[in-house]
Amino acid sequence: EVQLVESGGGLVQPGGSLRLSCAASGFTLSDHYMDWVRQPPGKGLEWVGRSRNKVNSYITEYAASVQGRFTISRDDSKNSLYLQMNSLKTEDTAVYYCVRAAAGLDAWGQGTLVTVSS
Amino acid sequence: DIVMTQSPFSLPVTPGEPASISCRSSQSLLHSNGRNYLNWFLQRPGQSPQLLIYSGSNRASGVPDRFSGSGSGTDFTLKISRVEAEDVGVYYCMQTLQLPRTFGQGTKVEIK
Repeated sequence: EVQLVESGGGLVQPGGSLRLSCAASGFTLSDHYMDWVRQPPGKGLEWVGRSRNKVNSYITEYAASVQGRFTISRDDSKNSLYLQMNSLKTEDTAVYYCVRAAAGLDAWGQGTLVTVSS
Repeated sequence: DIVMTQSPFSLPVTPGEPASISCRSSQSLLHSNGRNYLNWFLQRPGQSPQLLIYSGSNRASGVPDRFSGSGSGTDFTLKISRVEAEDVGVYYCMQTLQLPRTFGQGTKVEIK
């Protein structure tokens, strides 16, 4: 069974940093493109960025709103995906989902809440 | 960026009756390979989104056949042939033709 489990969310002050983790099971992470999608409280879905698969050199691409502040990385030995978030702003407050990008975005984690507030 | 526009914003439905949601994109989602890069998701209350339809008309694994997707280019439709109570939630369309991926604003389906 494909499963994605995010962790690492919490309360952080504006300008701070946080690292989210996504543990994948039931499939080989390196074979797949992986996305991060976020959802501010009570609002819609926003794409954050993606990491291509191993065959495509794990190239990363980001939404303009997070470019230069967020970084996606992987650890194949742990079958895990990460989202390093720096220079956080109040508008980054959201539930962050780790998503497998295969035939559409076909598998989603349960999400982890990031709250940026002083 | 490709802008995705859904209608209606809210859709009250009667169990057993059909329902339909529209999604329009600001640019054609039809690739030269013949695929439409349009997906549909359902987010039930308190849950993560789940994929219903990919490539415009293909049901994802485990999705009941009462859900169907149609359309091409810039106009797409999600249809539920007979609504069930478990179908309540917010439906989103999303394009994966180009980056950034973009979502519609969502359609909230609720039982009358």
